Amino acid sequence: DQQVKQNSPSLSVQEGRISILNCDYTNSMFDYFLWYKKYPAEGPTFLISISSIKDKNEDGRFTVFLNKSAKHLSLHIVPSQPGDSAVYFCAASKTGNQFYFGTGTSLTVIP
Amino acid sequence: DADVTQTPRNRITKTGKRIMLECSQTKGHDRMYWYRQDPGLGLRLIYYSFDVKDINKGEISDGYSVSRQAQAKFSLSLESAIPNQTALYFCATSDFQGGAYEQYFGPGTRLTVT
Repeated sequence: DQQVKQNSPSLSVQEGRISILNCDYTNSMFDYFLWYKKYPAEGPTFLISISSIKDKNEDGRFTVFLNKSAKHLSLHIVPSQPGDSAVYFCAASKTGNQFYFGTGTSLTVIP
Repeated sequence: DADVTQTPRNRITKTGKRIMLECSQTKGHDRMYWYRQDPGLGLRLIYYSFDVKDINKGEISDGYSVSRQAQAKFSLSLESAIPNQTALYFCATSDFQGGAYEQYFGPGTRLTVT
């Protein structure tokens, strides 16, 4: 059973606009969440993380929001740039041991 | 030089053959992981290790084995490869610093079993 779900396989956004990528999880014991970016022929690259004691974490153009009651997190990219075009994975963990990944969302930023 | 390296980068093998994928890291991390990526399924954990003497099964360990030869080296073996093990395999390392976990991934090994 998929414990971490990304229900949108793809997303297209105009350059300069906001990209919102969504992720849902089922295990209420998860206490740490991460977002990764992946380009073709490369391994995933860590983007941003958030622990369950927070509901928001920002790093430059990237902000992650966590809604524990809804078991939902989202990644906001503002403003979106063509170089942001990639596959984005969310992942969840209980105490940083095993990491469970979603199926990914392919983001295309249109110039 | 890359922090996490994987060899080989591409491999084609036949059903029933034994194959080993190797991973090395220079980050000095204790934790290492092997994942596979399949289209539409994301990354799934095969095995993970928190130190040289600690090996743990992940979500999909059947048909795989691992060896942690040193802190920096973690190998994945397919004892008798089968076609549904055709996938992209990633090694990763992890550390906990400043209240945050991060995983660092290698470039991947594309394995095809015919």
